[in-house]
Amino acid sequence: GAVVSQHPSRVICKSGTSVKIECRSLDFQATTMFWYRQFPKQSLMLMATSNEGSKATYEQGVEKDKFLINHASLTLSTLTVTSAHPEDSSFYICSAFGGTDTQYFGPGTRLTVL
Amino acid sequence: KQEVTQIPAALSVPEGENLVLNCSFTDSAIYNLQWFRQDPGKGLTSLLLIQSSQREQTSGRLNASLDKSSGRSTLYIAASQPGDSATYLCAVRETYKYIFGTGTRLKVLA
Repeated sequence: GAVVSQHPSRVICKSGTSVKIECRSLDFQATTMFWYRQFPKQSLMLMATSNEGSKATYEQGVEKDKFLINHASLTLSTLTVTSAHPEDSSFYICSAFGGTDTQYFGPGTRLTVL
Repeated sequence: KQEVTQIPAALSVPEGENLVLNCSFTDSAIYNLQWFRQDPGKGLTSLLLIQSSQREQTSGRLNASLDKSSGRSTLYIAASQPGDSATYLCAVRETYKYIFGTGTRLKVLA
């Protein structure tokens, strides 16, 4: 079946640094990808919709300059957390929509900002 | 704005019990509804997907129903096992994006 990968699976960084998370669709082309974040013991909250070749669409309350999204190809979307702070520590999950009725979710990336 | 709620928030049952998890959503204009399982610190595992035109889906010991008009879905787990312990999330699809519920943390005691 379709597989979506994320890299890295875990990352620890110092406050003020930027962190890039990759989301790849391994065996299908994804015209649209989605980025979610999950705080401990809470549900997933949609952050933004990433469209190949165009600007991402951010949900209300999500800072686009803080969370930079690039969807440069049909198999790769990246989320960059700029000038990360401890409150950005979270579990980030991407999903890929390849035009079928099923979205495929990545395994997630645990970000810890010290 | 679509809101998805799951009841109960947490559930602890002895092994072997049949149980029902509930999911409700405020806007019935959905494409489909999906149930997921999430183990601690892990990603999502898709369990069942119900299209908006369907009433239920079954996979092994799991059965999910959908009543779109009333904005409700249930996940039925038969003969629960300790390995079923996890957080269960329902999510409704609107156009291309999913709105997730608040989750039910299930613990099945041996």
